[in-house]
Amino acid sequence: EDKVVQSPLSLVVHEGDTVTLNCSYEVTNFRSLLWYKQEKKAPTFLFMLTSSGIEKKSGRLSSILDKKELFSILNITATQTGDSAVYLCAVNYGGSQGNLIFGKGTKLSVKP
Amino acid sequence: NAGVTQTPKFQVLKTGQSMTLQCAQDMNHEYMSWYRQDPGMGLRLIHYSVGAGITDQGEVPNGYNVSRSTTEDFPLRLLSAAPSQTSVYFCASSYRSSGRGNEQFFGPGTRLTVL
Repeated sequence: EDKVVQSPLSLVVHEGDTVTLNCSYEVTNFRSLLWYKQEKKAPTFLFMLTSSGIEKKSGRLSSILDKKELFSILNITATQTGDSAVYLCAVNYGGSQGNLIFGKGTKLSVKP
Repeated sequence: NAGVTQTPKFQVLKTGQSMTLQCAQDMNHEYMSWYRQDPGMGLRLIHYSVGAGITDQGEVPNGYNVSRSTTEDFPLRLLSAAPSQTSVYFCASSYRSSGRGNEQFFGPGTRLTVL
């Protein structure tokens, strides 16, 4: 059965901390792995990863994919209260070129 | 561009009622999909479409119908609402991928309660 597992499910940190969110997957016909941020509304796109070992960065956020070990991590450095959100990991897989299977998400709370 | 729009934002139904959730996109995306999001369950794919006239089932299709008569619109129909369909529904769209997948753009969601 195809699945995406995120850990931890929730995390509380203080401003300025660095956090690492984990995503492991088992799917047939892997195409790409995507990270989204969700703040009480629609998920917003962060990164799409297709190749192992190539880090993607956007400001304080970065992500990397390991296709051999079937996981990805999302790093957030110098966290701010505005980083509080649910972070979703999704894998594009299978016969159709658009279908995503999502993990349950990691709820990050950043305290002042 | 308005992106992906959904109506209504909120809806309360009684068990057995039917309704249609509307989704439209103005980005000329070939691929459109519907997800439901339940607490502790993440987002689960209901139905999807790779182009006008082509639809297929996702992970949780029972109780829902879709059609795709135009590239822009992808309505989701609940035939006979049940309390188990209480959820937040998201529509998403993207270009057809070249094989590596594409970023999907999500609408603002519809919060549905079935009593």
